[in-house]
Amino acid sequence: GENVEQHPSTLSVQEGDSAVIKCTYSDSASNYFPWYKQELGKRPQLIIDIRSNVGEKKDQRIAVTLNKTAKHFSLHITETQPEDSAVYFCAASLRNTGFQKLVFGTGTRLLVSP
Amino acid sequence: GAGVSQSPSNKVTEKGKDVELRCDPISGHTALYWYRQSLGQGLEFLIYFQGNSAPDKSGLPSDRFSAERTGGSVSTLTIQRTQQEDSAVYLCASSLLGLAVQETQYFGPGTRLLVL
Repeated sequence: GENVEQHPSTLSVQEGDSAVIKCTYSDSASNYFPWYKQELGKRPQLIIDIRSNVGEKKDQRIAVTLNKTAKHFSLHITETQPEDSAVYFCAASLRNTGFQKLVFGTGTRLLVSP
Repeated sequence: GAGVSQSPSNKVTEKGKDVELRCDPISGHTALYWYRQSLGQGLEFLIYFQGNSAPDKSGLPSDRFSAERTGGSVSTLTIQRTQQEDSAVYLCASSLLGLAVQETQYFGPGTRLLVL
């Protein structure tokens, strides 16, 4: 079945630095890739998503890139702030299931130090 | 508007007891999903509802797990004869249309289940 690998599992940066989280997926037919942010004790919230017909998408300090050939996608956060500290999950949507079945990575704990 | 809500927020039970977890999706959302999040792990898909029907139950770990949805709204996940390995956070999500539409899934706050 579909497998999504996410790296690194933990990431510590200084405020103002950039952070990059990478994910790879196995199903070449996957066509939707959301990223969720989960703060401690809170619900996962969508921060950005990308569809397979697009190579890059930006929203202020956050960007996601997709390489369909290599089957990997990355989350880039620039000018990190302490409030960016959270666990980030990538996901890939399976095709041919009749619905948007998401397979999640195991998460990256990002710590931004002031 | 109101987001996805879940109850209870925390549940402690003894091994062998049954538990019921409730999810109230966003009003008007057709699709509803249950996930399980174990410590240090990602979100594991359990079941998907389109309206009141569950076309995909493939993620349910065993026949001790069941779920239903009524009125195209509230869903209940039931775990019978709980085991310690069932301890996890159970998350519910909903989306507007469901089916194969690429759309945002909105998550609830989860129910943290601890089986002693």
